[in-house]
This record gives sequence, structure tokens and C-alpha cells, in this order.
Amino acid sequence: DAKTTQPPSMDCAEGRAANLPCNHSTISGNEYVYWYRQIHSQGPQYIIHGLKNNETNEMASLIITEDRKSSTLILPHATLRDTAVYYCIVRALNSGSARQLTFGSGTQLTVLP
Amino acid sequence: NAGVTQTPKFRVLKTGQSMTLLCAQDMNHEYMYWYRQDPGMGLRLIHYSVGEGTTAKGEVPDGYNVSRLKKQNFLLGLESAAPSQTSVYFCASSLPRTGQNTEAFFGQGTRLTVV
Repeated sequence: DAKTTQPPSMDCAEGRAANLPCNHSTISGNEYVYWYRQIHSQGPQYIIHGLKNNETNEMASLIITEDRKSSTLILPHATLRDTAVYYCIVRALNSGSARQLTFGSGTQLTVLP
Repeated sequence: NAGVTQTPKFRVLKTGQSMTLLCAQDMNHEYMYWYRQDPGMGLRLIHYSVGEGTTAKGEVPDGYNVSRLKKQNFLLGLESAAPSQTSVYFCASSLPRTGQNTEAFFGQGTRLTVV
């Protein structure tokens, strides 16, 4: 699976959009971009994933650049409860693989009141 | 539908003691995983299973054993606990590659301290 690079920490004002970047310059054509978050002391929580098109769900939007070498997770209206570590993960969905997730250090997002 | 449930939530062991962590999922997932997370670090894969009766090593398997006798349960064993195994342990499960439902679901963690 391709490696990812994320800033170690970011702040965001409550009610504003939080834009979390991720670089994955070695991504392969069959690899998806996944985002998870981990609120303090809890298990990681799935947020969103995509291959090459932008994706949106009730939690967030995922913007993937045309060359797929980077992506941005957008939380449109951040709340204090969105304070967490956000992990960007790139992995292939090959037949027969266990599809285990490889977690890096992630980005600590702090939403400020 | 409880999702992924880990037992126990907390445990303190003495060096050399053994214990088993239980992970149970009620989503009929084929794949199950055990991770550990040390302070300030991301999760590291210990062992995983792609189906009942099968297990495989992950990134940091030494000192641990696993069993998947039933599809819904994945057990993590420590035969002789060491202080280096003090960590938070997370279990996860997911479906095989079918459609777009490929996300993993995690339990709430087991906090293990070995003294």
C-alpha cells in the first residue's frame, strides 16, 4: 500500500470548515483513499473513501486531485466533537488480500470554541 | 446490533501471566483484525483472519497468538505477558471485497497494563 503524509496537527474554529490534507504521491491506480478518525481513547471510526471522484456523505467530503497524488478531507462545519486524530490511508482492494489498514501518525485536529 | 465488542475493557497483568482478549462481532464479517496502539502512535497490526479457522501474522505478531474458531469471534492470547505489551488493543472487522461496503468497524479497545 502507498505511504501517506499528513501534517501532525491543525486547528480549526468551531463552525468553520476543516480542511485536512494528505499526500500520497506513490498511489497506484487500484488504490483507494480512506479516511478514519479516532476520538480520544475510542476505536477508530470510518469517515469516507474514494478512488478518483470526489465523494460526499453525511460526515464529510473527500476531494481527490486529478493526478490522485493528494486529497483533502473536508468537514464543512466543524464542531468541538470533531476534535480527533484523522488518519488518511491508501490501500488496494485486491482479491484475496486481507485489506488490513496501515495507520500512520495522522493529523490531530483541534476544534477551538 | 452491537457491532464489535471487546472483552475485557481494562486489565492489569503481572509479568509472566497469561490472558485472552475476546473480540465478538455480529455483522457477519469475514475479516477480523487485532491492532495495538501505544501512546502517541498509530495502530499497528498484530494478527488478522480472513475467515473461520484461518489466521495470519501482521506487522507485530511476536508474543501473541490468535484463534478464529467461530466466524463471529477472534481471540488474542498473551502466553507470558511482558511490560512491552502494555498498550491499548483494538479489534476490527470488515467484509470481503464486495461492492463499496469495505470499511472496517472497530471495537472500543482493551487497555492492558503489564507490571
